[in-house]
Amino acid sequence: GAGVSQSPSNKVTEKGKDVELRCDPISGHTALYWYRQSLGQGLEFLIYFQGNSAPDKSGLPSDRFSAERTGGSVSTLTIQRTQQEDSAVYLCASSVTSGRIEWTDTQYFGPGTRLTVL
Amino acid sequence: DQQVKQNSPSLSVQEGRISILNCDYTNSMFDYFLWYKKYPAEGPTFLISISSIKDKNEDGRFTVFLNKSAKHLSLHIVPSQPGDSAVYFCAASRGFGNEKLTFGTGTRLTIIP
Repeated sequence: GAGVSQSPSNKVTEKGKDVELRCDPISGHTALYWYRQSLGQGLEFLIYFQGNSAPDKSGLPSDRFSAERTGGSVSTLTIQRTQQEDSAVYLCASSVTSGRIEWTDTQYFGPGTRLTVL
Repeated sequence: DQQVKQNSPSLSVQEGRISILNCDYTNSMFDYFLWYKKYPAEGPTFLISISSIKDKNEDGRFTVFLNKSAKHLSLHIVPSQPGDSAVYFCAASRGFGNEKLTFGTGTRLTIIP
């Protein structure tokens, strides 16, 4: 079946502009995550959606970042007034919620969107 | 504050030999540990995981060892194959209800034919 897809694959923008990054999770997956990987860094958690619950926004680096998930499926990450330090690969992942407390459900990642802020 | 650390940015191993990738963590609340493999221009793919109640988990050529007292885990790949060349990320989570992953910075593994 289809995996997690993200668009665009590459985005170049000018400092101060707004950008929107899209994620299509695996069908039936109730959990959706956004991460980013800056140059030379590990993946950094941004935000987590689980079903109809309020999202965990604890990883968002500033109020310029926001995300929404419509209809429990597609998600959009929006960065307003982009800065050069926002340049990174933005990765989306999804997982099915098994409800089993003895493990963490496997997260399946998309290919990422490479954002370059000039 | 890097809660998950991979101190070796790169590792080269001869084909057929054992590859050992190491990872250390500082947060004792982590309950679940995973290894992801990443090829260029692709997202990370899940490789193997281990719960904190275990000290070893094996899946084919891949074995993960967890030493809770030392807050250390390792991934063993044996025998190493050229297709194993990739960046390997160690990740940890606090488990059910808190599944967001904290990643290390990755180790680039190169298998030499």
